[in-house]
Amino acid sequence: AQTVTQSQPEMSVQEAETVTLSCTYDTSESDYYLFWYKQPPSRQMILVIRQEAYKQQNATENRFSVNFQKAAKSFSLKISDSQLGDAAMYFCAYRNYGGSQGNLIFGKGTKLSVKP
Amino acid sequence: EPEVTQTPSHQVTQMGQEVILRCVPISNHLYFYWYRQILGQKVEFLVSFYNNEISEKSEIFDDQFSVERPDGSNFTLKIRSTKLEDSAMYFCASKGPEQFFGPGTRLTVL
Repeated sequence: AQTVTQSQPEMSVQEAETVTLSCTYDTSESDYYLFWYKQPPSRQMILVIRQEAYKQQNATENRFSVNFQKAAKSFSLKISDSQLGDAAMYFCAYRNYGGSQGNLIFGKGTKLSVKP
Repeated sequence: EPEVTQTPSHQVTQMGQEVILRCVPISNHLYFYWYRQILGQKVEFLVSFYNNEISEKSEIFDDQFSVERPDGSNFTLKIRSTKLEDSAMYFCASKGPEQFFGPGTRLTVL
């Protein structure tokens, strides 16, 4: 069975600085997707970024980028120029590729605080 | 922009009562999911639904739970006899290429 591990329960960053959130996963599959979701206090789950395992290039979405290391099964999220609105729980998630086996497997989350 | 909607936003019920949580997925999506998140814990998969039947379910999804898509637009989760430990946020999601989550229903069982 696939597992997702986030080893940092809490992180803190100064506004305008850069922070990296860690995620590792375990799978025997070769094709899969990885995601980072943001959950603000409203508890809405918001997709931040997605990475396909077959792509070597790291995904980037504005201030958010990932460092995907397939061999190491590592998928970290880097937030540049942190803003107060970035404060939230961040969940790393895994999904098998294709078909109806599309349920997401989540890590336990990292609570990010942004200091003004 | 299309979005997944859920009703109600908050449901309070007595232990042993039945509850139905409703979701309207994004209209051209084919895969639907329910997840739950107990306060302070991670999001857990409950069930996936495709082509009008359950395609996968977790150990949490026992006989007390059921899902259906009664009218081609709504996607419901029924808990037959609620327990205290069913108190959680319940998220519906639907998948086209991406999985989009609804805002959640906070279920409180007293």
